[in-house]
Amino acid sequence: GENVEQHPSTLSVQEGDSAVIKCTYSDSASNYFPWYKQELGKGPQLIIDIRSNVGEKKDQRIAVTLNKTAKHFSLHITETQPEDSAVYFCAASPEQLTFGSGTQLTVLP
Amino acid sequence: GAVVSQHPSWVICKSGTSVKIECRSLDFQATTMFWYRQFPKQSLMLMATSNEGSKATYEQGVEKDKFLINHASLTLSTLTVTSAHPEDSSFYICSAARTGSEAFFGQGTRLTVV
Repeated sequence: GENVEQHPSTLSVQEGDSAVIKCTYSDSASNYFPWYKQELGKGPQLIIDIRSNVGEKKDQRIAVTLNKTAKHFSLHITETQPEDSAVYFCAASPEQLTFGSGTQLTVLP
Repeated sequence: GAVVSQHPSWVICKSGTSVKIECRSLDFQATTMFWYRQFPKQSLMLMATSNEGSKATYEQGVEKDKFLINHASLTLSTLTVTSAHPEDSSFYICSAARTGSEAFFGQGTRLTVV
């Protein structure tokens, strides 16, 4: 089955700086790669996703890149704000989602 | 975006009783719904996958007689934790798949068994 590894497990950045979270996957059949933001005590919220026929996707301050050859994809958040502080999960899917272990992002004011 | 509503958001029950959690897709039809369990500071662990009108598929190690899943319609799935024990205390989250692999999550249910 699919295996997704996510790094780092914790990340602290100063407000206004950029944050990058990286994930690798094992199943070359995976074709859908979403990113979720989870705040304490809440369910994950889809923030951006990318499919295997695209190399990069951007939505305002958030971007995701995908390297199919290397089987890795990354989340980039620019101009970070304190409200970006949360746990972020990557996932990969040939059919059903397999999640990474999560990254606790803290944006320091 | 698509909305998935999960109810209740938190519940406290006595050991030995059963608890039902509902998951509804409010503005789309979900052919597949998923149930996850999440322990503190950990990732989501898939418990089972349910398709409307058919029996749920449980992940290895998940007791199907303890965690009863019913997917009665394209907008509703329920998870019943039967004969709950303190070790069943956890955060349970459902998600509903819209098209392809797109999945949207409910707000989660914090279950505490005392």
